[in-house]
Amino acid sequence: AQSVAQPEDQVNVAEGNPLTVKCTYSVSGNPYLFWYVQYPNRGLQFLLKYITGDNLVKGSYGFEAEFNKSQTSFHLKKPSALVSDSALYFCAVSPPGGTALIFGKGTTLSVSS
Amino acid sequence: DAMVIQNPRYQVTQFGKPVTLSCSQTLNHNVMYWYQQKSSQAPKLLFHYYDKDFNNEADTPDNFQSRRPNTSFCFLDIRSPGLGDAAMYLCATSRLPSDSGSTDTQYFGPGTRLTVL
Repeated sequence: AQSVAQPEDQVNVAEGNPLTVKCTYSVSGNPYLFWYVQYPNRGLQFLLKYITGDNLVKGSYGFEAEFNKSQTSFHLKKPSALVSDSALYFCAVSPPGGTALIFGKGTTLSVSS
Repeated sequence: DAMVIQNPRYQVTQFGKPVTLSCSQTLNHNVMYWYQQKSSQAPKLLFHYYDKDFNNEADTPDNFQSRRPNTSFCFLDIRSPGLGDAAMYLCATSRLPSDSGSTDTQYFGPGTRLTVL
């Protein structure tokens, strides 16, 4: 079965430190990969996506993600975390021929001042 | 700015009383989706439209229906809400899938939080 794993329920980081939110996937073929962020009582906001090309993808608000095909991973990163980055982050995958996004269960990022 | 709009943002209904949630978009996207999200879990796809073609997920309860009268608008009807239907309902839109068939970026509205009393 196709799936997306976000192994950490919560990631805690001090403001100014680098952050990483992990995502691995089990999908056949060459899927599209996405990261979304959700603030309380809001919809999901698109951060970035990987389709093909350079393994390092840059997105909104200073976030970037690194695609690793051999490890089937797509980790979200930011060099310097802000308190305002505290939110729920979802990794999602669109399989070839798929009509829906397959979401991970989400990771809560908490950035302390 | 082009966007996805959902109304109302908060909806309270009584057990068994029909309710309709609405979604509109100015992105001119062909595909519209409805998701259900419970307590910070991953969103669960209920159904989607490719233009006017309706696609129901296999495990979406019959209690949930949808209408798309035109490109811009889409409605979610819950015929007889139960306590278990209390959730955030998210509308999303995207362009048609790529040649590979993978769904393109989905853009989400702010959601409607449904409370069932």
